[in-house]
Amino acid sequence: DAKTTQPNSMESNEEEPVHLPCNHSTISGTDYIHWYRQLPSQGPEYVIHGLTSNVNNRMASLAIAEDRKSSTLILHRATLRDAAVYYCILRDPAQETSGSRLTFGEGTQLTVNP
Amino acid sequence: DTGVSQDPRHKITKRGQNVTFRCDPISEHNRLYWYRQTLGQGPEFLTYFQNEAQLEKSRLLSDRFSAERPKGSFSTLEIQRTEQGDSAMYLCASSSIKGQANSYEQYFGPGTRLTVT
Repeated sequence: DAKTTQPNSMESNEEEPVHLPCNHSTISGTDYIHWYRQLPSQGPEYVIHGLTSNVNNRMASLAIAEDRKSSTLILHRATLRDAAVYYCILRDPAQETSGSRLTFGEGTQLTVNP
Repeated sequence: DTGVSQDPRHKITKRGQNVTFRCDPISEHNRLYWYRQTLGQGPEFLTYFQNEAQLEKSRLLSDRFSAERPKGSFSTLEIQRTEQGDSAMYLCASSSIKGQANSYEQYFGPGTRLTVT
């Protein structure tokens, strides 16, 4: 599995934008970039995913570098509820077996200050 | 749709005992996954099922671990002769291969926290 690198921790203030970076220099052409987050005492939850183009949904935006070697998850206005561990994960759906699993790293612990 | 549920939420057992956890996926989700998470680490994949077939097992799944999904709905994960190193959060997730093929978004349950004393 291609590896991702994320900062261990980041801090933000409430109602300010947050940019969470992820490096994936060994990404293959068929890898999708997925983001999950895990709130305290809960299972992970899906946030967003993309392949090449930037993506937006109700939770966040995903900005993908032109060379696809890095991406950034953007929370437009952080709230206290956004305090969580954010995981950047590469998945290749063409891999019928290994493409099914999620390979989590240690993620980025986001702290949101009131 | 009530999401993925897991039972029990917490389990304390003595070393050497057997434990069994249950996972009920979102109805009509044909894929079901088990992960294990220790403190400060991300979840680690253990195994997954498509319907009742177990299609992949991680090397983490030792002979003491067995998972079943007999009717393609709920699943059980059994650990025999538990060891202190088995203490972890055991997470279940489900997904559907229908719809957007490149997503396979996984929906996680709240987990079962196992403590082996």
